[in-house]
Amino acid sequence: DTGVSQDPRHKITKRGQNVTFRCDPISEHNRLYWYRQTLGQGPEFLTYFQNEAQLEKSRLLSDRFSAERPKGSFSTLEIQRTEQGDSAMYLCASSFLAMESGKAEAFFGQGTRLTVV
Amino acid sequence: GNSVTQMEGPVTLSEEAFLTINCTYTATGYPSLFWYVQYPGEGLQLLLKATKADDKGSNKGFEATYRKETTSFHLEKGSVQVSDSAVYFCALGPRGYNKLIFGAGTRLAVHP
Repeated sequence: DTGVSQDPRHKITKRGQNVTFRCDPISEHNRLYWYRQTLGQGPEFLTYFQNEAQLEKSRLLSDRFSAERPKGSFSTLEIQRTEQGDSAMYLCASSFLAMESGKAEAFFGQGTRLTVV
Repeated sequence: GNSVTQMEGPVTLSEEAFLTINCTYTATGYPSLFWYVQYPGEGLQLLLKATKADDKGSNKGFEATYRKETTSFHLEKGSVQVSDSAVYFCALGPRGYNKLIFGAGTRLAVHP
């Protein structure tokens, strides 16, 4: 296993189109996180899964955003009716235990850079 | 609320110079504290962490001490290398919150 992988690495889409990103976490990790990072800012939490259950969603995650993690393995993040303000880097991370506890390291993917034109 | 403030960059240093990147936080209770690094073209990597007051995290010559009295977690390195050029993020893991809260990041550029 070579780490967390995200696909695609870059996506350019027209405003109003739908996009879907995929994240493949490290296989034994039961927690999966999605973050969004805009230029010059740190990552902002969007949502997280424990196994297949989505346990928390940020208020940043409007109803145009939906995330799934079927069977507790890979995850997808879909954005419907994209807007220019959705342009950002979307990061996925996985960990075996809660990353915020400091008991386990979280591994981040390289991200998917979305540009909405 | 919970927040992280770190010094603005870019920080430009010559090789072998001493590095400090300041980070202060606001949190309820006793959070865990982290420094992440993002090298060009790569994902975020955990650099070091501390989970309780007075703990010192260290890795690759970098150190940071969890100071509860000053709510700080400053990153230091005694002698930087060109290969340390990257963006450094301070992050907070509040107790009971299932997320990390990141600072805005500080870009470090080290010149030969």
